[in-house]
Amino acid sequence: DSGVTQTPKHLITATGQRVTLRCSPRSGDLSVYWYQQSLDQGLQFLIQYYNGEERAKGNILERFSAQQFPDLHSELNLSSLELGDSALYFCASSVDDRDGYTFGSGTRLTVV
Amino acid sequence: GQQVMQIPQYQHVQEGEDFTTYCNSSTTLSNIQWYKQRPGGHPVFLIQLVKSGEVKKQKRLTFQFGEAKKNSSLHITATQTTDVGTYFCAGRPLDGQNFVFGPGTRLSVLP
Repeated sequence: DSGVTQTPKHLITATGQRVTLRCSPRSGDLSVYWYQQSLDQGLQFLIQYYNGEERAKGNILERFSAQQFPDLHSELNLSSLELGDSALYFCASSVDDRDGYTFGSGTRLTVV
Repeated sequence: GQQVMQIPQYQHVQEGEDFTTYCNSSTTLSNIQWYKQRPGGHPVFLIQLVKSGEVKKQKRLTFQFGEAKKNSSLHITATQTTDVGTYFCAGRPLDGQNFVFGPGTRLSVLP
């Protein structure tokens, strides 16, 4: 157990639907990062939050949004889902930008 | 924007052989990290290098940061089947906040 909790572990949904992925960072970590990993691909950075504020944005589609709540947990919202959105979505956390990231086990999203 | 490249993309070795993966950045880095992702698993932080020319060892793994802080390498001596996985480097640019991940090197170890 890495200390970063992601739910759900698996999600199967239809095209056009909307889903919410949840992440609880490791205790004491203020930064939360979201990454997308398609089959056999690298890690595509989506977005970062630090202590409730958006810190950096990567290749995040307009159909996707995220937020970090006062208790530091974060949610990634994916809407108008397409088949190509099927991927592993990882959340990671760190104390600050300079530390190593602790990754959660990921949410495997399948869009059918 | 900054690009981080890794070679090779794939490497198959016989158990007991050595393995090296190389990471190259298009810009100078403030520091670099290495991660390992086992098949079906999540990336796990291995190490961070900060100083120019820095070399760090973890048992059979040797990590090196280039003098110009634009490249890095991970060398595994006498690979074991437990070394199987994808090794990612992640570089933090001098003027940036976030680490940029390389595409990874997938290592297969044949028993």
